[in-house]
Amino acid sequence: DIQMTQSPASLSASLGETVSIECLASEGISNDLAWYQQKSGKSPQLLIYAASRLQDGVPSRFSGSGSGTRYSLKISGMQPEDEADYFCQQSYKYPPTFGGGTKLELK
Amino acid sequence: QVQLKETGPDLVQLTQTLSITCTVSGFSLTTYNVHWVRQPPGKGLEWMGAMWNGGGTDYNSAFKSRLSISRDTSKSQVFLKMNSLQTDDTAKYFCARQAYYGYYFDYWGQGVMVTVSS
Repeated sequence: DIQMTQSPASLSASLGETVSIECLASEGISNDLAWYQQKSGKSPQLLIYAASRLQDGVPSRFSGSGSGTRYSLKISGMQPEDEADYFCQQSYKYPPTFGGGTKLELK
Repeated sequence: QVQLKETGPDLVQLTQTLSITCTVSGFSLTTYNVHWVRQPPGKGLEWMGAMWNGGGTDYNSAFKSRLSISRDTSKSQVFLKMNSLQTDDTAKYFCARQAYYGYYFDYWGQGVMVTVSS
């Protein structure tokens, strides 16, 4: 199975700060990567797919980039409602696998 | 609008069988694939298996032969059954719809938290 390693495991950001979360795949995944946001006690919500495509309804402060084995999620201007756990997921090879998650808190 | 809702027990005894139903609305099971994903408390997400829109299934080999997924299209329901439950099967179980544009999950149910008790 492809291993997805996320970093950092947790971080805190001030209001308006730009935040980046990284995801490293154990092999190349050809941009077949998604990012999800999960608020406390809720189900995950798809933010980004195909590494950089914004899901309908997701604020434009969220963006994704990367290639090969390295991918990142950027939040340009932290908002209170962005406090959540974030997960990456590869869809390049069966079975789909997720990163361990990043807990983002508002400082 | 698209909705998925899981129903199932809160508590299952050790070595017993877990049964969860995912009832969907706003889309057809013959058009979209539906997957099962679980999340142990405070941990990450684990893909369990899929019900394909054509009626086939696929499973994560981590669950070996313990897992079974089926459906009733007339009731818009997908079923998960997993036997020989252990304490590390304690988790929140989600069903999720696969997006038409790739192997991503664009709608999720609220999940059902299942505790395996000894």
